[in-house]
Amino acid sequence: ELKVEQNPLFLSMQEGKNYTIYCNYSTTSDRLYWYRQDPGKSLESLFVLLSNGAVKQEGRLMASLDTKARLSTLHITAAVHDLSATYFCAVTDDKIIFGKGTRLHILP
Amino acid sequence: GAVVSQHPSRVICKSGTSVKIECRSLDFQATTMFWYRQFPKKSLMLMATSNEGSKATYEQGVEKDKFLINHASLTLSTLTVTSAHPEDSSFYICSGGRINTEAFFGQGTRLTVV
Repeated sequence: ELKVEQNPLFLSMQEGKNYTIYCNYSTTSDRLYWYRQDPGKSLESLFVLLSNGAVKQEGRLMASLDTKARLSTLHITAAVHDLSATYFCAVTDDKIIFGKGTRLHILP
Repeated sequence: GAVVSQHPSRVICKSGTSVKIECRSLDFQATTMFWYRQFPKKSLMLMATSNEGSKATYEQGVEKDKFLINHASLTLSTLTVTSAHPEDSSFYICSGGRINTEAFFGQGTRLTVV
């Protein structure tokens, strides 16, 4: 059974700081997703990572994938308040399984 | 990018009534769609996989008679919550399968049963 573990589940940080969210998964998966969810809204796709060593960056967010370690990271650089949201990683084995999400609260 | 449209975005219904939620793929054909349920401050829980032209595949613990799924065309899947009760109140999200490498999600439906 495919399991996805995310940590931390809650993160409160100051603007301008850097931090990393971790996503571990239990079995081989051919792709890994990162999504953002704002309160009361659906999911916004951030990144899709397909291969070992893949790294993608968009603004202050950077995602990487290590398929051997079954680990993905979402790194936040110089956080700003607008990045406050819940971030989910998800992996797939014919269906998409989500981690529990990381609630990120960035303090001004 | 591909678009998945979900309707309604919000619905309030009385206990005992049924509610239908629609999920449409607007610019692609989706042979498979996924239905998720999300409780407040929780993750998305996969309820079922909707297959065009055949029966849906339900996840363990999901009542198929309670949550009726129909996928009659390549662009439309519906989820009907039958005989709704307050505990069915939740946020329901559909996903229009996977296109190449990405999955696309509907806007979500906030169901409140009173």
